[in-house]
Amino acid sequence: TQLLEQSPQFLSIQEGENLTVYCNSSSVFSSLQWYRQEPGEGPVLLVTVVTGGEVKKLKRLTFQFGDARKDSSLHITAAQPGDTGLYLCAAKGGGSEKLVFGKGTKLTVNP
Amino acid sequence: EAGVTQFPSHSVIEKGQTVTLRCDPISGHDNLYWYRRVMGKEIKFLLHFVKESKQDESGMPNNRFLAERTGGTYSTLKVQPAELEDSGVYFCASSRRGGTLKRAGPAFFGQGTRLTVV
Repeated sequence: TQLLEQSPQFLSIQEGENLTVYCNSSSVFSSLQWYRQEPGEGPVLLVTVVTGGEVKKLKRLTFQFGDARKDSSLHITAAQPGDTGLYLCAAKGGGSEKLVFGKGTKLTVNP
Repeated sequence: EAGVTQFPSHSVIEKGQTVTLRCDPISGHDNLYWYRRVMGKEIKFLLHFVKESKQDESGMPNNRFLAERTGGTYSTLKVQPAELEDSGVYFCASSRRGGTLKRAGPAFFGQGTRLTVV
């Protein structure tokens, strides 16, 4: 069974601070996605990374895929209250189209 | 473009009853997936359709769950009879089908159906 471990599980910070959340596994994945989910809504795709060592930026969000394609990180610069939400990593592997999800990091950004 | 739509958004049923969840994928998306999150656990895969065919149903918990996608458009997930442990949020997602040299597109999720079995 492929498992994705996300850390930290909960994170509460002040507006303007920087943060990094992690997604780790012992398995190699063909691609990894980061989603953000708000209460009562489904996960919304933020980014997909497919190449080991790949870095993608989305405004204040920076996503990195590990060289060995086993782990990923999400860094947020100057967090804002609008960044509050559940951040999920999900990955595909073994030729399958199904996504394996982590439990998520619940981020709260206080004004 | 309309997103993935799920009905109902909430359902409360008694143990032993039957419930049918519906998912309308994004138009043109051949791939349709069902996922479920049970409280305190991660979102877990249930099943994958490519058009009307079941590509992978390895995540279906047991034979009380039946998924269909007649005509390759919308899909239904029926739970009969429902048990307490079936409570959770059921998500549907859809994506464009990949080709020989092209990966499948990213998965877009619906808002989910919150099922409570009492």
